Amino acid sequence: AQSVTQLDSQVPVFEEAPVELRCNYSSSVSVYLFWYVQYPNQGLQLLLKYLSGSTLVKGINGFEAEFNKSQTSFHLRKPSVHISDTAEYFCAVSEGYNFNKFYFGSGTKLNVKP
Amino acid sequence: DGGITQSPKYLFRKEGQNVTLSCEQNLNHDAMYWYRQDPGQGLRLIYYSQIVNDFQKGDIAEGYSVSREKKESFPLTVTSAQKNPTAFYLCASSIAGVQDTQYFGPGTRLTVL
Repeated sequence: AQSVTQLDSQVPVFEEAPVELRCNYSSSVSVYLFWYVQYPNQGLQLLLKYLSGSTLVKGINGFEAEFNKSQTSFHLRKPSVHISDTAEYFCAVSEGYNFNKFYFGSGTKLNVKP
Repeated sequence: DGGITQSPKYLFRKEGQNVTLSCEQNLNHDAMYWYRQDPGQGLRLIYYSQIVNDFQKGDIAEGYSVSREKKESFPLTVTSAQKNPTAFYLCASSIAGVQDTQYFGPGTRLTVL
């Protein structure tokens, strides 16, 4: 079965510093990859997605992620974070044979401090 | 504006009572999903439906039931058989048959007293 691992449950960082949130998945078949952001007591919003093509994907709010097939990773990065980036971030994967079924990681709470 | 609505935002019920959570979408999406979110566990799939009058169990379907009588509606019933129903419930939808994003509603926080 597919599994998605977000190793860091919490990431504290100072404002204007760079950040990387890690995501690894287990599938050996073709996958589609997503990052979502969740603010407290709200639903999830899509940050970015990788379906095919360039392995470097740019999303909203200055975030980007890189698909690395050999390392089965899809890490999320931002060169300079803002206080408003404080939220929980979820990595999600769907597989080529059942792409309507998503598998979510356990989430990483990003805490941006002034 | 197109989107997904969930109601109510907060719901309180006594133990042993069934409760139904509403999810409506006007995105014309064929596929709809219910997830449960608990702290530190991410999202777990309860049920999903790719077409009207058809639905499949997800990873944690025990104690839950759904119906899909209309394309735009996918209500979730939390039954008394669900041992630990207090959680945040999220509904989502997507275009079926092609790879695409899942769009989420704002969620319902259910507390069983």
